[in-house]
Parts: sequence; structure tokens; C-alpha cells
Amino acid sequence: GAGVSQSPSNKVTEKGKDVELRCDPISGHTALYWYRQSLGQGLEFLIYFQGNSAPDKSGLPSDRFSAERTGGSVSTLTIQRTQQEDSAVYLCASSSMWFDSSYEQYFGPGTRLTVT
Amino acid sequence: GENVEQHPSTLSVQEGDSAVIKCTYSDSASNYFPWYKQELGKRPQLIIDIRSNVGEKKDQRIAVTLNKTAKHFSLHITETQPEDSAVYFCAASKDYGQNFVFGPGTRLSVLP
Repeated sequence: GAGVSQSPSNKVTEKGKDVELRCDPISGHTALYWYRQSLGQGLEFLIYFQGNSAPDKSGLPSDRFSAERTGGSVSTLTIQRTQQEDSAVYLCASSSMWFDSSYEQYFGPGTRLTVT
Repeated sequence: GENVEQHPSTLSVQEGDSAVIKCTYSDSASNYFPWYKQELGKRPQLIIDIRSNVGEKKDQRIAVTLNKTAKHFSLHITETQPEDSAVYFCAASKDYGQNFVFGPGTRLSVLP
């Protein structure tokens, strides 16, 4: 079946502009995660959605970052007033979260954001 | 909150040798420990995972061991091959899959 998809694959924006990054998780996956990965660095947790529960926003680096998940499926990560330090690859992942099944996170291909 | 440390940050081994990567975690409530492999320019992919109710798990050339008392877990790759070259990330999670915290990664190079 289809994996996790993200769009756009690349985004170049000017400093101060707003951007929206989209994630389509695997159908039926209740958990959705957003991570940020700077060049050569690790995976920085941003936000986590699980079903209808309130999202875990503890990883969002500032109030310029927000995310929503509509209908328990598609998610959008919004960065307002982008700064150069926001340049990174933004990865989305989903998992099924059923007890006794795999908790594997399936990652999307990422969106490479460049702020000029 | 949870803190995951990973060592070494880089590792070079000769083809055919073994490689070991170690991670420590701080939260004793963590109960799920996956390892992800990320090849250059690609997305991370799960290679093996272990839950807190077992001490060791093996899948062909890859094994993971967990020491809950010491709060550390390790990835063991035997008979390394050039295609094992990648960045490996460990992670710790509470509530079986929630609240993931990833380690900083280990860049493994397998030299032919």
C-alpha cells in the first residue's frame, strides 16, 4: 500500500514568510509525528498526534510553529515568519499504535525547507 | 524528561568485523527501544526493536540487548557489509510508542 507522503518535497522561502508543510500518513495509522532534521544532525521531535487526544506539542521550538491534524488523517505543519535557522528537513512519520503490534514509525520522504 | 545518549558518534569498521553502538536513557519508565537506520539522502527505517519485557532480540546479523537496571541498550551488527554503512539512531519511548526521544545518531562506515 501507499506509504507516508509529504509535500512539497522542497521549499525555498524568503525570511519572514509563512510556510505550510503537508503530511499524508498511512491510512488507518492513528499516531502521527513531526520531526526536524538539520544537516548531519539527529531527529528533533516537534509534535505528536494520537487519535482524538490533545497533541503533544512539547517539542515545538517557538510559538511560530504550529500543527494541526484534520479528521485524524492529514496533518499540516505551519511555520510563521520563517527564520534562517528554520532551514532543515522536516520529516513526518505515522504508526498504528495498536497494542501488541509493531510500534514502527513509517517515515515520509521529508520536506527540505530552505529559508533565504 | 527523557534523555537519550548514543556512543560512538562515528564508527569505522572493516568489512566482516562486528559493530556495536550503545545508548543510555534516563527515564526508567521507558519501555520500548527501537533502532532506525538512515542511509544517505533517505528516510529513517526501523531495523530492530525491543520491549522492556525481554533482554535480547536477534534478527539475522542484527541483535539488540537491553539492560533495564543500568538503563542502556546496544545494537550489535555482525559480519558487517558495505551496505550497512549509514547513520543509526536509537530511541526510547514510554507507553509503548508514545513520547519518542531519539539519540543523536552514529555514523557507521564499513570499509571494504
